[in-house]
Amino acid sequence: GAVVSQHPSWVICKSGTSVKIECRSLDFQATTMFWYRQFPKQSLMLMATSNEGSKATYEQGVEKDKFLINHASLTLSTLTVTSAHPEDSSFYICSAKGQGLRGIQYFGAGTRLSVL
Amino acid sequence: QQQVKQSPQSLIVQKGGISIINCAYENTAFDYFPWYQQFPGKGPALLIAIRPDVSEKKEGRFTISFNKSAKQFSLHIMDSQPGDSATYFCAASRGSNYQLIWGAGTKLIIKP
Repeated sequence: GAVVSQHPSWVICKSGTSVKIECRSLDFQATTMFWYRQFPKQSLMLMATSNEGSKATYEQGVEKDKFLINHASLTLSTLTVTSAHPEDSSFYICSAKGQGLRGIQYFGAGTRLSVL
Repeated sequence: QQQVKQSPQSLIVQKGGISIINCAYENTAFDYFPWYQQFPGKGPALLIAIRPDVSEKKEGRFTISFNKSAKQFSLHIMDSQPGDSATYFCAASRGSNYQLIWGAGTKLIIKP
């Protein structure tokens, strides 16, 4: 099956620093990648959708200057949380879909971000 | 109209029993209905999915039942096992970008 690798799985950082999370499709070309945020015991909240080579589309209420998304290649997307603050602490998950996979989204294992 | 309503919020089933989780949607343009399984601290994994042209799809112990007229679909887990204990999400999508609209999730506990 299609595999999506997300790194790191857990990161702790100081308030005010920036953190980059990588999402890679290992065995398929991801034409579209999605970034989600999940609070404890809640559903996934879509933050943004990115298509390779174009700017990400952010959901309403998501600060694009705070959460920078880059989808520079068909196998890699990155989410950078800039000037992180404790309220940004959360579980961030990426997913990817590619042509020929019938629109199925495959998910990474998630990144637990803790901002001190 | 974009919502997907999922119930119950939590479910406890004895080992060997049948677990049933229900979802309902409003938008008739939805054309893809997946179920995802998520273990604590992990990303969701696709379990099974159905499109509106069929009423039922079975894969092993997992079955999706789809009622187009009622705009409802459900997940049945037969012979439930402790390893099935997880949170289950239904979702729906439409269109080429396949943006998923998620249900609120059901925490399933299988008692040995």
